[in-house]
Amino acid sequence: DAGITQSPRHKVTETGTPVTLRCHQTENHRYMYWYRQDPGHGLRLIHYSYGVKDTDKGEVSDGYSVSRSKTEDFLLTLESATSSQTSVYFCAISEEGKIDTQYFGPGTRLTVL
Amino acid sequence: GDSVTQMEGPVTLSEEAFLTINCTYTATGYPSLFWYVQYPGEGLQLLLKATKADDKGSNKGFEATYRKETTSFHLEKGSVQVSDSAVYFCALDRDDKIIFGKGTRLHILP
Repeated sequence: DAGITQSPRHKVTETGTPVTLRCHQTENHRYMYWYRQDPGHGLRLIHYSYGVKDTDKGEVSDGYSVSRSKTEDFLLTLESATSSQTSVYFCAISEEGKIDTQYFGPGTRLTVL
Repeated sequence: GDSVTQMEGPVTLSEEAFLTINCTYTATGYPSLFWYVQYPGEGLQLLLKATKADDKGSNKGFEATYRKETTSFHLEKGSVQVSDSAVYFCALDRDDKIIFGKGTRLHILP
């Protein structure tokens, strides 16, 4: 299994509070991705990174920001959480030249009350 | 833009039944096509892929053939097992990203 961890695995927070989710990899892969998974929508890309300090927006980036200061860590921040951001968040990684194969972390279940 | 459409679930079958999950895509050019599987409580795993027209991807008894003429990539298995119960996602690649379908939940009854 690819070495990908996500923290926390579960979080309950209140509307308006900031939240940061962490994705950590031990594979030294260049590409990292954040998705959210919601019933009826499948997986939707939030942001992705193609290198340290190189990030780009995905399909549903509004309300989210990301940072990548080291190869191994990719942080997803909700500056002011809303109930619509209640979801399961998955991080994924892929190698340069093999971006068609992504390895997924175990997910973080976030509930915004 | 590019998109993937797959059959609505849930799909419920008895053990040893034949499985088909339909997937069609819309894309410019010739993307690679994938099936990912998500077992309960886990992240997605790549099940199989095909990179060009008429390629057949296969793994764990599952197969799918890249059909350019019908823009389809249907997933099949001849005899399903209870352990195949999961959510299955059809997907394609575009630039540095993968575009996923909405997923099809499969229940296999013993």
